Amino acid sequence: EAGVAQSPRYKIIEKRQSVAFWCNPISGHATLYWYQQILGQGPKLLIQFQNNGVVDDSQLPKDRFSAERLKGVDSTLKIQPAKLEDSAVYLCASSSTGIKYYEQYFGPGTRLTVT
Amino acid sequence: KQEVTQIPAALSVPEGENLVLNCSFTDSAIYNLQWFRQDPGKGLTSLLLIQSSQREQTSGRLNASLDKSSGRSTLYIAASQPGDSATYLCAPFFYGQNFVFGPGTRLSVLP
Repeated sequence: EAGVAQSPRYKIIEKRQSVAFWCNPISGHATLYWYQQILGQGPKLLIQFQNNGVVDDSQLPKDRFSAERLKGVDSTLKIQPAKLEDSAVYLCASSSTGIKYYEQYFGPGTRLTVT
Repeated sequence: KQEVTQIPAALSVPEGENLVLNCSFTDSAIYNLQWFRQDPGKGLTSLLLIQSSQREQTSGRLNASLDKSSGRSTLYIAASQPGDSATYLCAPFFYGQNFVFGPGTRLSVLP
């Protein structure tokens, strides 16, 4: 089965610019997660979707970050305007329901550099 | 707020050694715990998932144990190889919350 797809793989922008990341989860996976991973740290959950509804966005900086998951499949994460501290790898993960409930599968990530 | 720690932060061993990576968490009310591997510049690869009702899981040279009451999990790697060099992360799934990742253990296996 195809894995989680993300694009772009790398992005360099200047502070105050906007950027968007795209994620396509594993087919049939109802749950989708966006994480932020700063160099040397573990991933931090930004937002979790169940189908196209938000389950957890408690750690999403809502003044500058937004995310949507239209039709319960693909998802986009946007930052506007970007700050220097947003430089990180943005990881998308998905999980299914059923016997492997909650086992997460990750995409390759998007490395964002804000200058 | 749940916290997850991993010890050691970094580890360098000669090829062939057996080794243990440790993961501790502050709240024993977890649904499951997942161990991941992350290669430089790459995403996370799932290694093992232990449900809260299980004591351990095995996959090849990897064995993960879970002691919920003490808030600990260990990942045992047998007969380490240079290809095992990576960062290993644990992530408990807390009831009513979500996955929380530890900072990882950076492993280097020397040929």
